[in-house]
Amino acid sequence: DTAVSQTPKYLVTQMGNDKSIKCEQNLGHDTMYWYKQDSKKFLKIMFSYNNKELIINETVPNRFSPKSPDKAHLNLHINSLELGDSAVYFCASSRTSHEQFFGPGTRLTVL
Amino acid sequence: SQQGEEDPQALSIQEGENATMNCSYKTSINNLQWYRQNSGRGLVHLILIRSNEREKHSGRLRVTLDTSKKSSSLLITASRAADTASYFCATLQGAQKLVFGQGTRLTINP
Repeated sequence: DTAVSQTPKYLVTQMGNDKSIKCEQNLGHDTMYWYKQDSKKFLKIMFSYNNKELIINETVPNRFSPKSPDKAHLNLHINSLELGDSAVYFCASSRTSHEQFFGPGTRLTVL
Repeated sequence: SQQGEEDPQALSIQEGENATMNCSYKTSINNLQWYRQNSGRGLVHLILIRSNEREKHSGRLRVTLDTSKKSSSLLITASRAADTASYFCATLQGAQKLVFGQGTRLTINP
């Protein structure tokens, strides 16, 4: 069974559209994260949720809105997509202060 | 701001040789972690070293941590073609914020 799963794996859309990426973990972890990896492979944290509560929000435009319906799910909704949003988005989960388990990534291409 | 600086940015060696990658950071940390990313895949955790530890081993991996110099190294011994990947160090700041370095792209030539 996949530990951290994301859907979709690929997302191609037009500028200005709204899209969502879903993430689920079956590891029983209390913390989930969203990261953005740019074309130079630089990985930067966007959000962190602990027990459904937002803990980290790293200067991300408010067009990005995470939602955690329960401890096992953390979805990312993006409004009014821009060209610069094109990247690979990774979901991850962990127990607090421990190693993180990453999903396979969602490659978002904004045309 | 970006925390880690990794050195070298790219490394190409022959199968069987050892590979050493270095990481420097700027602020105090709780632990330092190394991850591997194969092309087109997610990151996989390799090893975690706590701020009060100096060295840790896991199979063919050896990690050192020097908190006085704010640096760490990852040594992969007896490299294999399957070790070809990008390797990232990441420092844990606080309880949850993991800050990644730029990564080292390692190529093992058969």
